[in-house]
Amino acid sequence: QKEVEQNSGPLSVPEGAIASLNCTYSDRVSQSFFWYRQYSGKSPELIMSIYSNGDKEDGRFTAQLNKASQYVSLLIRDSQPSDSATYLCAPFQAGGFKTIFGAGTRLFVKA
Amino acid sequence: DGGITQSPKYLFRKEGQNVTLSCEQNLNHDAMYWYRQDPGQGLRLIYYSQIVNDFQKGDIAEGYSVSREKKESFPLTVTSAQKNPTAFYLCASSPTGGAFGYGYTFGSGTRLTVV
Repeated sequence: QKEVEQNSGPLSVPEGAIASLNCTYSDRVSQSFFWYRQYSGKSPELIMSIYSNGDKEDGRFTAQLNKASQYVSLLIRDSQPSDSATYLCAPFQAGGFKTIFGAGTRLFVKA
Repeated sequence: DGGITQSPKYLFRKEGQNVTLSCEQNLNHDAMYWYRQDPGQGLRLIYYSQIVNDFQKGDIAEGYSVSREKKESFPLTVTSAQKNPTAFYLCASSPTGGAFGYGYTFGSGTRLTVV
Protein backbone atom coordinates (compact mmCIF):
# COMPACT_ATOMS: atom_id res chain seq x y z
CA GLN A 1 0.00 0.00 0.00
CA LYS A 2 1.33 3.43 -0.93
CA GLU A 3 1.79 5.86 1.92
CA VAL A 4 -0.30 8.49 0.15
CA GLU A 5 -2.96 7.62 -2.42
CA GLN A 6 -4.45 10.10 -4.86
CA ASN A 7 -6.50 9.53 -7.99
CA SER A 8 -4.14 10.55 -10.80
CA GLY A 9 -6.99 11.94 -12.91
CA PRO A 10 -7.34 13.90 -14.99
CA LEU A 11 -10.34 15.30 -13.17
CA SER A 12 -12.26 17.48 -15.59
CA VAL A 13 -14.79 20.05 -14.35
CA PRO A 14 -16.56 22.94 -16.10
CA GLU A 15 -15.70 26.50 -15.19
CA GLY A 16 -17.61 27.64 -12.12
CA ALA A 17 -18.11 24.13 -10.73
CA ILE A 18 -16.73 22.66 -7.51
CA ALA A 19 -13.66 20.48 -7.92
CA SER A 20 -13.19 17.80 -5.27
CA LEU A 21 -9.75 16.27 -4.81
CA ASN A 22 -9.30 13.33 -2.47
CA CYS A 23 -6.38 11.77 -0.65
CA THR A 24 -5.93 8.84 1.73
CA TYR A 25 -2.83 8.15 3.78
CA SER A 26 -1.51 5.14 5.66
CA ASP A 27 0.45 6.69 8.56
CA ARG A 28 -1.91 7.05 11.52
CA VAL A 29 0.67 9.21 13.29
CA SER A 30 0.45 12.01 10.71
CA GLN A 31 -0.85 15.12 12.40
CA SER A 32 -0.72 17.76 9.71
CA PHE A 33 -1.49 17.84 6.03
CA PHE A 34 -0.55 20.13 3.21
CA TRP A 35 -1.88 20.71 -0.29
CA TYR A 36 0.40 21.94 -3.04
CA ARG A 37 -0.48 23.12 -6.53
CA GLN A 38 1.95 22.38 -9.35
CA TYR A 39 1.50 23.91 -12.78
CA SER A 40 2.95 21.98 -15.69
CA GLY A 41 6.72 22.42 -15.83
CA LYS A 42 6.83 24.43 -12.61
CA SER A 43 7.65 23.73 -8.98
CA PRO A 44 4.98 23.01 -6.32
CA GLU A 45 3.41 25.89 -4.41
CA LEU A 46 1.86 25.53 -0.96
CA ILE A 47 -1.84 26.46 -1.01
CA MET A 48 -3.39 24.96 2.13
CA SER A 49 -2.52 23.36 5.44
CA ILE A 50 -4.81 21.61 7.92
CA TYR A 51 -4.08 20.15 11.35
CA SER A 52 -7.46 19.46 12.99
CA ASN A 53 -10.42 17.33 12.01
CA GLY A 54 -13.07 19.25 10.14
CA ASP A 55 -12.96 21.96 7.51
CA LYS A 56 -10.62 24.85 6.92
CA GLU A 57 -11.54 27.52 4.41
CA ASP A 58 -9.26 29.96 2.61
CA GLY A 59 -10.88 31.92 -0.20
CA ARG A 60 -12.16 29.49 -2.82
CA PHE A 61 -10.29 26.57 -1.22
CA THR A 62 -11.58 24.32 1.56
CA ALA A 63 -9.49 21.55 3.08
CA GLN A 64 -11.27 18.75 4.93
CA LEU A 65 -9.62 16.31 7.32
CA ASN A 66 -10.90 13.10 8.90
CA LYS A 67 -8.09 11.46 10.87
CA ALA A 68 -10.19 8.47 11.91
CA SER A 69 -10.73 7.61 8.25
CA GLN A 70 -7.21 8.74 7.29
CA TYR A 71 -8.74 10.92 4.63
CA VAL A 72 -8.06 14.48 3.54
CA SER A 73 -9.66 16.41 0.68
CA LEU A 74 -9.44 19.73 -1.09
CA LEU A 75 -12.48 21.49 -2.52
CA ILE A 76 -12.10 24.29 -5.05
CA ARG A 77 -15.24 26.38 -5.44
CA ASP A 78 -16.02 28.42 -8.56
CA SER A 79 -13.26 26.61 -10.46
CA GLN A 80 -11.37 28.70 -13.00
CA PRO A 81 -9.25 27.63 -15.98
CA SER A 82 -6.27 29.00 -14.06
CA ASP A 83 -6.87 26.28 -11.46
CA SER A 84 -5.86 23.66 -14.04
CA ALA A 85 -2.81 22.04 -12.45
CA THR A 86 -1.69 18.98 -10.51
CA TYR A 87 -2.59 19.01 -6.82
CA LEU A 88 -0.29 17.18 -4.43
CA CYS A 89 -1.44 15.89 -1.06
CA ALA A 90 1.37 15.85 1.53
CA PRO A 91 1.04 14.48 5.07
CA PHE A 92 3.73 15.45 7.56
CA GLN A 93 5.32 12.51 9.39
CA ALA A 94 6.18 13.85 12.84
CA GLY A 95 8.25 10.78 13.71
CA GLY A 96 10.56 11.10 10.75
CA PHE A 97 10.19 14.87 10.58
CA LYS A 98 9.53 14.84 6.88
CA THR A 99 6.69 15.33 4.45
CA ILE A 100 5.51 12.54 2.16
CA PHE A 101 4.05 13.57 -1.18
CA GLY A 102 1.33 11.86 -3.12
CA ALA A 103 1.72 11.52 -6.89
CA GLY A 104 -0.95 14.16 -7.38
CA THR A 105 -4.29 14.60 -9.12
CA ARG A 106 -4.39 16.44 -12.42
CA LEU A 107 -7.26 18.92 -12.58
CA PHE A 108 -8.55 20.37 -15.83
CA VAL A 109 -11.08 23.20 -15.70
CA LYS A 110 -12.91 23.66 -18.99
CA ALA A 111 -13.79 27.22 -19.99
CA ASP B 1 12.28 39.22 -1.40
CA GLY B 2 12.98 35.97 0.42
CA GLY B 3 13.06 32.76 -1.51
CA ILE B 4 15.00 29.79 -2.80
CA THR B 5 17.26 30.00 -5.81
CA GLN B 6 18.20 26.91 -7.76
CA SER B 7 20.78 26.92 -10.51
CA PRO B 8 21.22 26.14 -13.25
CA LYS B 9 17.70 25.90 -14.65
CA TYR B 10 18.84 23.33 -17.23
CA LEU B 11 21.83 21.02 -16.98
CA PHE B 12 23.23 18.43 -19.34
CA ARG B 13 25.42 15.63 -18.07
CA LYS B 14 27.65 13.32 -20.05
CA GLU B 15 27.92 9.67 -19.13
CA GLY B 16 30.34 9.14 -16.24
CA GLN B 17 30.33 12.78 -15.20
CA ASN B 18 29.55 14.24 -11.76
CA VAL B 19 27.44 17.38 -11.69
CA THR B 20 26.45 19.69 -8.84
CA LEU B 21 23.10 21.44 -8.49
CA SER B 22 23.03 24.61 -6.45
CA CYS B 23 20.36 25.56 -3.91
CA GLU B 24 20.48 28.78 -1.88
CA GLN B 25 17.80 30.19 0.43
CA ASN B 26 17.48 33.51 2.26
CA LEU B 27 14.39 32.58 4.28
CA ASN B 28 16.41 31.77 7.41
CA HIS B 29 14.95 28.25 7.35
CA ASP B 30 16.76 25.52 9.27
CA ALA B 31 15.60 22.58 7.15
CA MET B 32 16.37 21.97 3.49
CA TYR B 33 15.37 19.13 1.19
CA TRP B 34 16.14 17.68 -2.22
CA TYR B 35 13.45 15.90 -4.23
CA ARG B 36 13.47 14.24 -7.60
CA GLN B 37 10.42 14.25 -9.88
CA ASP B 38 10.11 12.06 -12.95
CA PRO B 39 7.48 12.72 -15.65
CA GLY B 40 4.00 11.91 -14.35
CA GLN B 41 5.41 10.88 -10.99
CA GLY B 42 5.31 12.26 -7.47
CA LEU B 43 8.20 13.76 -5.54
CA ARG B 44 10.76 11.36 -4.13
CA LEU B 45 13.03 12.46 -1.29
CA ILE B 46 16.78 12.25 -1.97
CA TYR B 47 18.35 13.93 1.08
CA TYR B 48 17.30 16.32 3.79
CA SER B 49 19.01 18.42 6.42
CA GLN B 50 17.51 19.88 9.57
CA ILE B 51 20.60 21.73 10.74
CA VAL B 52 23.98 22.85 9.48
CA ASN B 53 26.61 20.09 9.20
CA ASP B 54 24.00 17.35 9.47
CA PHE B 55 21.91 15.58 6.83
CA GLN B 56 19.99 12.33 6.37
CA LYS B 57 19.37 10.03 3.44
CA GLY B 58 15.93 10.01 1.96
CA ASP B 59 14.26 7.22 0.01
CA ILE B 60 16.50 7.35 -3.08
CA ALA B 61 19.93 8.58 -1.89
CA GLU B 62 22.04 6.12 -3.88
CA GLY B 63 24.16 7.90 -6.47
CA TYR B 64 23.73 11.31 -4.83
CA SER B 65 25.68 13.30 -2.24
CA VAL B 66 25.06 16.55 -0.37
CA SER B 67 26.74 18.94 2.02
CA ARG B 68 25.37 21.51 4.46
CA GLU B 69 28.25 23.76 5.44
CA LYS B 70 26.11 26.90 5.61
CA LYS B 71 22.53 27.42 6.68
CA GLU B 72 21.72 29.09 3.37
CA SER B 73 23.18 26.47 1.06
CA PHE B 74 22.44 22.79 0.33
CA PRO B 75 24.13 21.66 -2.90
CA LEU B 76 23.36 18.29 -4.46
CA THR B 77 25.93 16.31 -6.43
CA VAL B 78 24.69 13.75 -8.90
CA THR B 79 27.49 11.23 -9.23
CA SER B 80 28.31 8.85 -12.05
CA ALA B 81 26.92 6.07 -9.83
CA GLN B 82 23.40 7.40 -10.45
CA LYS B 83 22.47 5.40 -13.52
CA ASN B 84 19.28 7.20 -14.47
CA PRO B 85 19.72 10.84 -13.45
CA THR B 86 17.47 12.46 -16.06
CA ALA B 87 14.75 14.16 -13.98
CA PHE B 88 13.43 17.42 -12.55
CA TYR B 89 15.25 18.22 -9.29
CA LEU B 90 13.53 20.34 -6.66
CA CYS B 91 15.07 21.96 -3.61
CA ALA B 92 12.83 23.05 -0.73
CA SER B 93 13.19 24.59 2.70
CA SER B 94 11.08 24.97 5.81
CA PRO B 95 11.29 26.11 9.42
CA THR B 96 11.69 23.46 12.11
CA GLY B 97 10.62 23.03 15.71
CA GLY B 98 6.87 22.72 15.43
CA ALA B 99 5.07 19.51 16.33
CA PHE B 100 2.86 19.85 13.29
CA GLY B 101 5.56 20.65 10.79
CA TYR B 102 5.58 23.46 8.27
CA GLY B 103 4.81 23.75 4.61
CA TYR B 104 7.72 23.84 2.22
CA THR B 105 8.94 26.64 0.00
CA PHE B 106 10.30 25.26 -3.27
CA GLY B 107 12.87 26.59 -5.67
CA SER B 108 12.10 26.75 -9.38
CA GLY B 109 13.90 23.47 -10.06
CA THR B 110 16.73 22.16 -12.23
CA ARG B 111 16.09 19.93 -15.23
CA LEU B 112 18.94 17.47 -15.63
CA THR B 113 19.37 15.54 -18.87
CA VAL B 114 21.95 12.88 -19.68
CA VAL B 115 23.43 13.29 -23.15
